[in-house]
This record gives sequence, structure tokens and C-alpha cells, in this order.
Amino acid sequence: TQLLEQSPQFLSIQEGENLTVYCNSSSVFSSLQWYRQEPGEGPVLLVTVVTGGEVKKLKRLTFQFGDARKDSSLHITAAQPGDTGLYLCAGEGDNDMRFGAGTRLTVKP
Amino acid sequence: DAGVIQSPRHEVTEMGQEVTLRCKPISGHDYLFWYRQTMMRGLELLIYFNNNVPIDDSGMPEDRFSAKMPNASFSTLKIQPSEPRDSAVYFCASSFNGRLGNQPQHFGDGTRLSIL
Repeated sequence: TQLLEQSPQFLSIQEGENLTVYCNSSSVFSSLQWYRQEPGEGPVLLVTVVTGGEVKKLKRLTFQFGDARKDSSLHITAAQPGDTGLYLCAGEGDNDMRFGAGTRLTVKP
Repeated sequence: DAGVIQSPRHEVTEMGQEVTLRCKPISGHDYLFWYRQTMMRGLELLIYFNNNVPIDDSGMPEDRFSAKMPNASFSTLKIQPSEPRDSAVYFCASSFNGRLGNQPQHFGDGTRLSIL
């Protein structure tokens, strides 16, 4: 079983601050996706990373896939209240697909 | 465009009763997934279908759970008999031409199930 551990579990910051959340595993993944989930809704895909060392930017969000394809990070610059939500990573292995438990982010105005 | 549609949005029932959750995937998508989300266990994959055929049901917790996909536009997840520990939010998702990889999964808004 390929487990994905996300940290921190909870994060509460002020508007304008920067933050980084992490997704780690002892297993190698073919690809990894980041989703954001808002209350009462399903997760929505933010990005997919495939190549080790890959960095993708989506406005104020920067996603990085580790060189060994076992971990990933999401960095948010100048967080805004609209960034509040549950951030989930999901990794695809050979015959398996797992979601992490998520990081619940609250950005206070 | 219509997204993944799940019904009902909320279900409250007594233990022992049969529960049926419904999902209409996005038209043209060939993969359909059922997930369960709880605070304790996060988002868990229960079962997924490819072209209406169940591919992996290893996440289905017990024989009380069953899922069907009679056609490309409809799937059900049934719990019989239901128990309080089945209380969770159940999500359906669909994707085109791939389980994960470069193909995003599109999630419905979920069914919040409470078993009393």
C-alpha cells in the first residue's frame, strides 16, 4: 500500500503570508495531483506533476515534484481568504491510486 | 456543461435500512470512481469502473457494500444493511481515458450520509 502523508494537517495564517504544505511517501509515483476542496463540494484538480523535479506555477501557487517522485510540495505566496480549503494530494503507483488526508488551510482576513 | 451529478445530496436513515446512492458521470467519460470521505480516514477509493466494468473493488469495506454501473451514464452504490459507522460523505468522480496520470478526475458534490 502506498501511503501519502500530508503535513501540516491544519494551518491557519493571516492574509498576505506565505505557506508551504507537503505531501510525502516512501513509494515512487508515476504522477501526482493536487486538489482543493471547499466545504460542501467535491475536490477540484489544481495541477498534475509527472516528471521528477518538475515545477509548475498556477498564479500564486507553486507546485514541485521531488526528484525521486516520492514527495511534493505546494507553496502559496501572499495567501488570500479565497485560498481557504482542504488541499489534497493524490499519487498514482503501478496499480494503485491514493489520496492523502489533506491539509486544511484557513486564511484569515 | 453538466458536471458529475450525485443524488441525493443528503441522506439520513436508521441503521439496518438499505441506502442507495446515485451518480451520473460526465458524458463521454469512461472511468467512474466511488470514494468515501471521513475526518478520520480522509478520502478513500472504494471501487472504480472502466467502460461500465468494475476493475478494482478492493476498497469496498464489506459485503454490505455493492456498486453497479448498468450503463455509461449511471452508477449506484448500495449499502445493505447500513450501520452508523457508514456515516460519511460519498463522492463519485469520472475521468476520460485514464485513472489518474494526466487526466483529471471530476468530482460530484457528494452525498452526505448519516446512519442513526
